[in-house]
Parts: sequence; C-alpha cells; structure tokens
Amino acid sequence: EAEVAQSPRYKITEKSQAVAFWCDPISGHATLYWYRQILGQGPELLVQFQDESVVDDSQLPKDRFSAERLKGVDSTLKIQPAELGDSAMYLCASSPSGREGRYNEQFFGPGTRLTVL
Amino acid sequence: KQEVTQIPAALSVPEGENLVLNCSFTDSAIYNLQWFRQDPGKGLTSLLLIQSSQREQTSGRLNASLDKSSGRSTLYIAASQPGDSATYLCAAPFSGGYNKLIFGAGTRLAVHP
Repeated sequence: EAEVAQSPRYKITEKSQAVAFWCDPISGHATLYWYRQILGQGPELLVQFQDESVVDDSQLPKDRFSAERLKGVDSTLKIQPAELGDSAMYLCASSPSGREGRYNEQFFGPGTRLTVL
Repeated sequence: KQEVTQIPAALSVPEGENLVLNCSFTDSAIYNLQWFRQDPGKGLTSLLLIQSSQREQTSGRLNASLDKSSGRSTLYIAASQPGDSATYLCAAPFSGGYNKLIFGAGTRLAVHP
C-alpha cells in the first residue's frame, strides 16, 4: 500500500541550529502539505504545494522557515535558525489534487518529532 | 474564521461500551469532513471521509455522520476495545482554502479492560 514517507522520524537540535525535514508523497499525488502539530493541539498548515508551486504559505514563518518542491515530487522543509518554540511534530501529507472545487482525501506520513534544546 | 471544536477533550470508558465523539464547525460551507486516528508520537491515520453530499460513512465498527446545517459531525465507535485507545481528530477543508484542513484539537480516548 502506498504511503507518505518522511525522514528523519526524530530530530534533536540546539537553539540557533539549522534543521531540515524531507517528505516523499504518494506517487502521482499533485498536492503536498506540511503541517505543524504542537503537543495537545490539532495540526496547522504551514505550506501547501500544487506540483512545484506554492499555493498557500500564509502561516509559514518566512523569516526562518523555507520549503521547496523543486521537481514537483518530494519536498524539503527547513528551519534556520531553530527556536525553542519550534519543538513540535512536523507532518507531511499528500492528496491527488487540492484545487478549489476538487477536495480530496489527505494521506499523512509518520511525522518528524523535533525537539529544540 | 473557520473553527473546529471537539468535545469531549478526553474520554475513559470500559471495554465493550459504544461511544460517540463529537465535532462541530463554525462554517457550514465545507466540502467534506475527515476523521483521523493518532497514536502517541505517531502520524495521522485516515479513518473516514464524508463528502458534503453524504450523510454518513461506515467502516467496520466505525460510523461517522455529517449534518452541515447544524455544523456537526459525530464518530460512533461500537463495542470499544483497548486497541481503540488513541486521539481522534476531525478536520474539514473550507471554501477558499485550496483543500487546507482545519483541525479540531482532538478527543483523547482510553479504553480500559
């Protein structure tokens, strides 16, 4: 069964260091999402790609976070520099399409648990 | 602003009970509603997706209903088992959001033998 892959599963870093997370969506899924989940809360969208283009990054802290999906397949989310408040679960999801008017089921990966010391 | 609320925040029940988890949303203009399960420290597993034109969906011991007019969805779990212990989240994409899911905070379920 096709799954969304993420790595690493766990990451511990010190404040002010750079971290990067990788996501490989289900093959053929055009839309890729990065969500952040703080302990005890529901996930919140950071950035959404349609193929290689960003369609929503309104909640992405652009002074320190960046995301790319260069060939419209896998994606990398980077934090530079990391802050204590960035400790959270980072979840990647994919769906066949995310254009308005065509809403499809999202499938999530196992997540990356980030701890900033 | 679209908001999704889940009640109760936590629930502890003995094995075998039938139970209902509630999800409410502020904007009735949703396109579908998804229920997820999350085990501690893990990712989200999709349980059920209800399209806006549907009233309910069933999968095994799970049944989810959707009432857009009242802004509510319920997840019914029949004959609960200890293996059902997890956090259950509901989420919906609202109009204008390009399929961006708005999540509730979840209901943490514990089923004890």
